[in-house]
Amino acid sequence: AQSVSQHNHHVILSEAASLELGCNYSYGGTVNLFWYVQYPGQHLQLLLKYFSGDPLVKGIKGFEAEFIKSKFSFNLRKPSVQWSDTAEYFCAVNAQDRAGTALIFGKGTTLSVSS
Amino acid sequence: DGGITQSPKYLFRKEGQNVTLSCEQNLNHDAMYWYRQDPGQGLRLIYYSQIVNDFQKGDIAEGYSVSREKKESFPLTVTSAQKNPTAFYLCASSNDRAEQYFGPGTRLTVT
Repeated sequence: AQSVSQHNHHVILSEAASLELGCNYSYGGTVNLFWYVQYPGQHLQLLLKYFSGDPLVKGIKGFEAEFIKSKFSFNLRKPSVQWSDTAEYFCAVNAQDRAGTALIFGKGTTLSVSS
Repeated sequence: DGGITQSPKYLFRKEGQNVTLSCEQNLNHDAMYWYRQDPGQGLRLIYYSQIVNDFQKGDIAEGYSVSREKKESFPLTVTSAQKNPTAFYLCASSNDRAEQYFGPGTRLTVT
């Protein structure tokens, strides 16, 4: 069965520090990969997505993620975090060859940024 | 303004009562989904529907039921059989098997 692992449950950073959140998935076929963010009191919203092509994808607000197929990983990065990046981040995956499959989510990483 | 609406935002019920959570979308999406979010658990899939009058169980369907009579509506009923119903419920939709759009959620408290 598919699964998604997020290695960091809670990350605490100071403003301007660099961020990397780990995400690994288990599935042998072709996948679509996503990072979603949930700011306090707001909707879950899409940060970035990977379907195919260039494995380095750029999203909103300066975030990027790199798909490394050999490692089944899709880590999220940002070179310099801001206080406003404080939120919960979810990695998600679904399989391209399974029609109608819903997303499988990781358990989430809470990011706290201090100013 | 296109989007997904969920109502109400907060819902309180007594144990033993069924309760129905509303989800409406005007994005003209075929697929709709219900997730449950608990602290430290991420989002877990309850039910999903790819087309009107059709739906499939997700990972944690026990104690829940859904209907899909209209493309834009996908209500979720939390029955008295659900052993731990207090949670944050999120509805989503997508127009293909990929990117999903989420509603604001309903926080259900059962006492």
